[in-house]
Amino acid sequence: KNEVEQSPQNLTAQEGEFITINCSYSVGISALHWLQQHPGGGIVSLFMLSSGKKKHGRLIATINIQEKHSSLHITASHPRDSAVYICAVLKLQKLVFGQGTRLTINP
Amino acid sequence: NAGVMQNPRHLVRRRGQEARLRCSPMKGHSHVYWYRQLPEEGLKFMVYLQKENIIDESGMPKERFSAEFPKEGPSILRIQQVVRGDSAAYFCASSPQGWEQYFGPGTRLTVT
Repeated sequence: KNEVEQSPQNLTAQEGEFITINCSYSVGISALHWLQQHPGGGIVSLFMLSSGKKKHGRLIATINIQEKHSSLHITASHPRDSAVYICAVLKLQKLVFGQGTRLTINP
Repeated sequence: NAGVMQNPRHLVRRRGQEARLRCSPMKGHSHVYWYRQLPEEGLKFMVYLQKENIIDESGMPKERFSAEFPKEGPSILRIQQVVRGDSAAYFCASSPQGWEQYFGPGTRLTVT
């Protein structure tokens, strides 16, 4: 079993829909990152959080340390949000990555 | 403050050649990490370095791969005698304190 599990693996939605991507982890961590990767592109760090909730524009990330679970939400989704979203946990100063969620937003 | 720089962005090598990938961390960052993304696979940790020291190389293949982060200059990931299975995207990240990591654009290595 992977230390970091994401669901769903693939998600297709219509423009404007509310999107939720989930991440569960099984190890002790000091922080959790949400990353975005466009096809053939680099990696952009969206959030780093160790407790509670963070918001940036239409993106919201939450983490529940006791339940070892985090969610990434996108409100009013747009085709430009189409990308792979990756959850990564910081364990002993190195990142352990989930397999990613491929999000496609159709116009 | 420029972001993390990696070069080259694309590198083509024939089997048996050497590949050198460079990473210049953000100004003031003394922690560097290398990650590999094989085709259709997730990202995997390779090595964690601070200036002149390898802190954790538990993700590095035992042979042909080495990394350094000298006192002056960029961090280098070196792959000797490349094989087709080394074809991947190699990402570098830097951090000021070992916690929040900033990623470079990656080097895409193709071995022919």
